[in-house]
Amino acid sequence: DAGITQSPRYKITETGRQVTLMCHQTWSHSYMFWYRQDLGHGLRLIYYSAAADITDKGEVPDGYVVSRSKTENFPLTLESATRSQTSVYFCASRTGRLQYFGPGTRLTVT
Amino acid sequence: GQQLNQSPQSMFIQEGEDVSMNCTSSSIFNTWLWYKQDPGEGPVLLIALYKAGELTSNGRLTAQFGITRKDSFLNISASIPSDVGIYFCAGHPLQGAQKLVFGQGTRLTINP
Repeated sequence: DAGITQSPRYKITETGRQVTLMCHQTWSHSYMFWYRQDLGHGLRLIYYSAAADITDKGEVPDGYVVSRSKTENFPLTLESATRSQTSVYFCASRTGRLQYFGPGTRLTVT
Repeated sequence: GQQLNQSPQSMFIQEGEDVSMNCTSSSIFNTWLWYKQDPGEGPVLLIALYKAGELTSNGRLTAQFGITRKDSFLNISASIPSDVGIYFCAGHPLQGAQKLVFGQGTRLTINP
């Protein structure tokens, strides 16, 4: 039972490059979420999706793009990475009122 | 965005001691969740609470859904070294229940 997987786990990229973080869940949960976690800010919601082809902005969506063509995948793209996007990114999925997190991707933008 | 007030922010205890932490909100919640996060990992769901007054245990962990529906408590009994980590509360508010609201976390350190 793999649950939620994220790839890559670690990524270093340069300012201005496009980066895509992958998220895959094996449970067929309808809702999926992307968060970033930074010291002093806790977990902040970037985007979420209620189902395939339905996405909505969270608290900090600027500079990010999401898509959800299949229920099990929810990739997050940084169109032109900036140093302020250096963070740990967590994907999550939800069934009912229970939300489960992936292991995270640590992204460094140099 | 809305945040939960979680306290204490950090705790330094001796192995074997009991631990208590809590989360409060100014608005009503219909679900409380407690997570633990180890370094370099994602938050792991420990306990879920659905009704006011509910008391739920998971091994040495016990959590309660406050009667006012604006708070929740987590207790850890007889702490052991593997309890070290950051504990987060989270909840679904009555309004806007699609998105979880998080506390800032309680960092637990245990001296053996």
